[in-house]
Amino acid sequence: GESVGLHLPTLSVQEGDNSIINCAYSNSASDYFIWYKQESGKGPQFIIDIRSNMDKRQGQRVTVLLNKTVKHLSLQIAATQPGDSAVYFCAEMPGGSYIPTFGRGTSLIVHP
Amino acid sequence: EAGVTQFPSHSVIEKGQTVTLRCDPISGHDNLYWYRRVMGKEIKFLLHFVKESKQDESGMPNNRFLAERTGGTYSTLKVQPAELEDSGVYFCASSPLGPVTGELFFGEGSRLTVL
Repeated sequence: GESVGLHLPTLSVQEGDNSIINCAYSNSASDYFIWYKQESGKGPQFIIDIRSNMDKRQGQRVTVLLNKTVKHLSLQIAATQPGDSAVYFCAEMPGGSYIPTFGRGTSLIVHP
Repeated sequence: EAGVTQFPSHSVIEKGQTVTLRCDPISGHDNLYWYRRVMGKEIKFLLHFVKESKQDESGMPNNRFLAERTGGTYSTLKVQPAELEDSGVYFCASSPLGPVTGELFFGEGSRLTVL
């Protein structure tokens, strides 16, 4: 979950482990959710999205889970690799909006 | 195909000075967005253009910020006069017109440091 203060929530894992990054969203009207990955010195990069009529969506090594009841989103990364080290942002969009609203991000550190 | 490009990558200015950031979106992308990230905080929306028109500028902090997109191609974001709290990384993103999608293509950002 989110922490107070200026420091990003951080998740440290060993290479090969599975990672789970969590996100709580606030807008009940949001019906579309996105995960982005931001590597150091680069801009955010789209990973995967999910609409509110789904509760799970899988990509390559990544799975997004959506629990609308508790307004919670998670990103699961299988067999985490050092190249997965980055800051991960969840974003939400209310129906009809073209504007993703981003959260603070979670820093994922993968140890070889 | 070239991605979203932003210039400068880093700018250091003194409080009270003016800075202009530039964004070149992916060719053919009519949606253009400006976001800002202050250290350790969320990526905050500033404004959204569709072609040359401002569709939503609800995130612009105050009238010291001016964004333009003349001709519907590249965009500039001017901060005048800059204040200390304007420091951060300014991201530009673009996407094509079409069905609503959260897949924006981001540039690498322009880091602004106001001393």
